[in-house]
Amino acid sequence: QVQLQESGPGLVKPSETLSLTCTVSGGSISGYYWSWIRQPPGKGLEWIGYIYYSGSTNYSPSLKSRLTISVDTSKNQFSLKLSSVTAADTAVYYCARHHYDFSTGYYKNYFDYWGQGTLVTVSS
Amino acid sequence: EIVMTQSPATLSVSPGERATLSCRASQSVSSNLAWYQQKPGQAPRLLIYGASTRATGIPARFSGSGSGTEFTLTIGSLQSEDFAVYYCQQYHNWPPLTFGGGTKVEIK
Repeated sequence: QVQLQESGPGLVKPSETLSLTCTVSGGSISGYYWSWIRQPPGKGLEWIGYIYYSGSTNYSPSLKSRLTISVDTSKNQFSLKLSSVTAADTAVYYCARHHYDFSTGYYKNYFDYWGQGTLVTVSS
Repeated sequence: EIVMTQSPATLSVSPGERATLSCRASQSVSSNLAWYQQKPGQAPRLLIYGASTRATGIPARFSGSGSGTEFTLTIGSLQSEDFAVYYCQQYHNWPPLTFGGGTKVEIK
């Protein structure tokens, strides 16, 4: 059973860089797309961006200028860096796996496995 | 960006009754729509993809329908464990992938 676990600081100061890592266990990071999704307290879900295991990325236009997602296949991990954070970046951050349809060989951009989420608060 | 709008924001239903949730897209997403269930303090769980296909392990009382811009999630007979927030997500036109604002299904 694939499991995802987010890790990183729970408190970040305004204007600094938020850094999180997602560790994948019970399966390989290779061969899949992986996303970061966030949820401000009491609000809905916002897709941040994704990375393919080979390193190609696609980012939300609203966050693109501040965002870097990277992958380390040797550690079965992928990471998020969001720079110049403000209070608006306070949220639970989830990592998630994109579904792969083995019957068709196509990747799908919905999420079949999720991490438990980690709350990141931006405050001085 | 495709905007997803869910209604109602809150749905009050008695256990055993049927619940019908709506999701509307600002432009056609064909059948590229997924539904998720989220309980307090938990990550979302995939329920439906392709607008109408249940994900692995999802009970038959959950069904999805629709295409284009109008979609419906129906919970046939609400069980206690079904009281949660439900989100739709389009994956037809991206970036960005976008979610609806959610419908909270609460006990009446």
